[in-house]
Amino acid sequence: AQSVTQLDSQVPVFEEAPVELRCNYSSSVSVYLFWYVQYPNQGLQLLLKYLSGSTLVKGINGFEAEFNKSQTSFHLRKPSVHISDTAEYFCAVRVTGNQFYFGTGTSLTVIP
Amino acid sequence: DADVTQTPRNRITKTGKRIMLECSQTKGHDRMYWYRQDPGLGLRLIYYSFDVKDINKGEISDGYSVSRQAQAKFSLSLESAIPNQTALYFCATSDSGATNEKLFFGSGTQLSVL
Repeated sequence: AQSVTQLDSQVPVFEEAPVELRCNYSSSVSVYLFWYVQYPNQGLQLLLKYLSGSTLVKGINGFEAEFNKSQTSFHLRKPSVHISDTAEYFCAVRVTGNQFYFGTGTSLTVIP
Repeated sequence: DADVTQTPRNRITKTGKRIMLECSQTKGHDRMYWYRQDPGLGLRLIYYSFDVKDINKGEISDGYSVSRQAQAKFSLSLESAIPNQTALYFCATSDSGATNEKLFFGSGTQLSVL
């Protein structure tokens, strides 16, 4: 079975500071990894994904994430956050041919 | 028009009532999903359908049923609603034929059971 752990439920950070949102997964097989973002009162939209190849993936709005197989992690980073980045962020995994599993989410609040 | 449309956007109902949430998609995707979102619990899968004749239970299917009326339509029913089913419900789709299969979400249905 697969599971996803997002260690931080809430992350406050000052504007223009860097941020890292942590995600760890457990799986006995290879997985695909995703980060989704949910802005207030909206549905989820894809931020970035890792399928194969380079372990550093870049997404929209200046976010990037690094796949670390040995640590089974897929942490999300941004070097300088904006007020508009305030949102809920979800890490997700998928096994080939199977469904998606989501973490419990991290609420990022950017402080002016 | 949105690719994944959920109706209604908001619904308030009483305990014991039957409720149906509807989802339709114009993306031509074969797979459809129903999730519920609760604060601190993230998204949990209720039911999923990999094609019209393939319906599967997710991790929290008790108290829910679904119907895949066509490839483009996937409805979720609460036969007898209870207060702990108050949540934000999301429908999603994906294309199993895509090399980079990912989920596309609707805007959500906020359900309140009093």
